[in-house]
Parts: sequence; C-alpha cells; structure tokens
Amino acid sequence: QQQVKQSPQSLIVQKGGIPIINCAYENTAFDYFPWYQQFPGKGPALLIAIRPDVSEKKEGRFTISFNKSAKQFSLHIMDSQPGDSATYFCAARDGSARQLTFGSGTQLTVLP
Amino acid sequence: DGGITQSPKYLFRKEGQNVTLSCEQNLNHDAMYWYRQDPGQGLRLIYYSQIVNDFQKGDIAEGYSVSREKKESFPLTVTSAQKNPTAFYLCASSIEGALPYNEQFFGPGTRLTVL
Repeated sequence: QQQVKQSPQSLIVQKGGIPIINCAYENTAFDYFPWYQQFPGKGPALLIAIRPDVSEKKEGRFTISFNKSAKQFSLHIMDSQPGDSATYFCAARDGSARQLTFGSGTQLTVLP
Repeated sequence: DGGITQSPKYLFRKEGQNVTLSCEQNLNHDAMYWYRQDPGQGLRLIYYSQIVNDFQKGDIAEGYSVSREKKESFPLTVTSAQKNPTAFYLCASSIEGALPYNEQFFGPGTRLTVL
C-alpha cells in the first residue's frame, strides 16, 4: 500500500500557537519522510525531512516527530506566524522505487 | 540563477486539443518528474525520468505523454485522451545515485484550464 494519510485537511490557529499536522503510512519500504510547504500559486518547497532511524528532528521553529512502530509522523510549528499560512504536504519515499508519495495536504491559516 | 522553469504559467485549451507544457532545469539533475495537483488530493505522479531517453509511468499516466531528449528538459503533453485535464501541473527534479535521500526541487507550476 503506497498511501500516505494526512490530517487535518485544514487548520486555523492564532499567532503564537503550535499547529500539529499528522501523517500515517503502511508501506514499511518507505525510507525518507519530507515535509513540503506550498504558498498559493507556487510550487512546493522542502521544509524539513527525517529518516526512520531518528525519532525527532528540529530546524528552527519546525519539528518532525517520528514514531516508527506506529508508522506515524507529525509536523509541529512552534510560535506560528501569519507568514506560515500555507499548505503543508507530508511525503514518503519508497527507497526501491525512488518515488515520493504525497499526503493530501493541510491548509494552515495563522491568524494575526 | 539556477532552478526549474515551467512555461507557460497559465494555459487554456479547447476540448480535443493536445497541449505541451514546458519544464527546463539548469541544476544538472539526473531525474525529473511531472505531478498533477488537484484541490484536496495532494500531488499525484504522472511520469518520471531518471536518465535521458528513458522514462516511466507514474500513478496517473493515462492521457499524458513525455519525452526526455535532453538532460535539462522534460516536456509534458496533455492529449485529448485525458478526460479531465484542468489542474495545476508541477515539474520537479532531483539528483540521482550520489545521495541516498534525494530532495526534489519543484518548479512554479502551470495552471491548465480546459474551456
């Protein structure tokens, strides 16, 4: 099963809040889990990524938490800002096929 | 200025017409990809190419065709056989082989509308 399930579909938080976006997968061949950020009318850009041998990775205000046994990973945005308002996609890479499978996306709105 | 360019930004097509979307990269990347993005469905892979003169079908290749005659170019043709072509099309590229975890870089996209 190649699917990556992402939730919630949309999320609204106040400035300074900590939005959390969750993803789950079934395919144990996935070996790389990136998150992409996309602004309206633009292409996605890599935000942060994690490998399955690591349980957490932080880059600035963005943190990925990874639970290998549960086959789940999540994105946390600390001290969220209105400029973080965008659509966020999780993805997973099948190492043998070298393809990315994307989640359905989460539209985040950070209110000022 | 390195990156991926897609043209045109907006494209309108009449039913029954074939159209070709351009994708060019000067990153010297080996692999290139085409995705389709529809609201609420994320990105779905149409075709990908890991080397020149070779390409593979993705999850939704029906009604589309590609060519890879040059390393830097990977044009996508949306044929009249594609029944619902209105979407946002994204091209991406990545390094192959050297890195175990290849980051995909995306272009700005082409929005295709069928009239």
